[in-house]
Amino acid sequence: GQQVMQIPQYQHVQEGEDFTTYCNSSTTLSNIQWYKQRPGGHPVFLIQLVKSGEVKKQKRLTFQFGEAKKNSSLHITATQTTDVGTYFCARNQGGKLIFGQGTELSVKP
Amino acid sequence: GAVVSQHPSRVICKSGTSVKIECRSLDFQATTMFWYRQFPKQSLMLMATSNEGSKATYEQGVEKDKFLINHASLTLSTLTVTSAHPEDSSFYICSASSVLAGVYFGPGTRLTVT
Repeated sequence: GQQVMQIPQYQHVQEGEDFTTYCNSSTTLSNIQWYKQRPGGHPVFLIQLVKSGEVKKQKRLTFQFGEAKKNSSLHITATQTTDVGTYFCARNQGGKLIFGQGTELSVKP
Repeated sequence: GAVVSQHPSRVICKSGTSVKIECRSLDFQATTMFWYRQFPKQSLMLMATSNEGSKATYEQGVEKDKFLINHASLTLSTLTVTSAHPEDSSFYICSASSVLAGVYFGPGTRLTVT
């Protein structure tokens, strides 16, 4: 299946700064999911986007799905040390997940 | 939410031995389970799809004779790493899926082959 490209690979921010990770696909996606994996942990489901242009918010996290359904972003406003971890996007094919490369976020207090 | 367990959480084995990892859906019946492998600082890579009562479907490049998958019931899938070698050392994660419950990950099994 088509891969989902995710950038950047790493992001180091000062606490309070914003953070964004981007996912892009060469083909139209039926859906995009976002996961967070803490160091040493397993991926935890954050959200699924299915509609063109969809924007969803979870407290300081804003998720967007592009109009063409080929890209998606996760934006964190005013990062906190608890936001540390790796954020993955993934396309869901009947439960089978094809993950992006992930963006590792570190937050300096 | 739905819970998926994995056992063991960590295992160290000697090169050439086999290791069995269990994945259980605790409060729902999972018609399909998936096995992923994650090397340090890398993404999760799907290894195989495990369907209850039928043969697993392996992703390209994954040796089916080395990674034996058995999905004997709607709540249990096992992954056996046969004749393990140091390069098989990795974090193995399962997920369980059903139409009603969605997709949930197990906590993962960290395998170290010495």
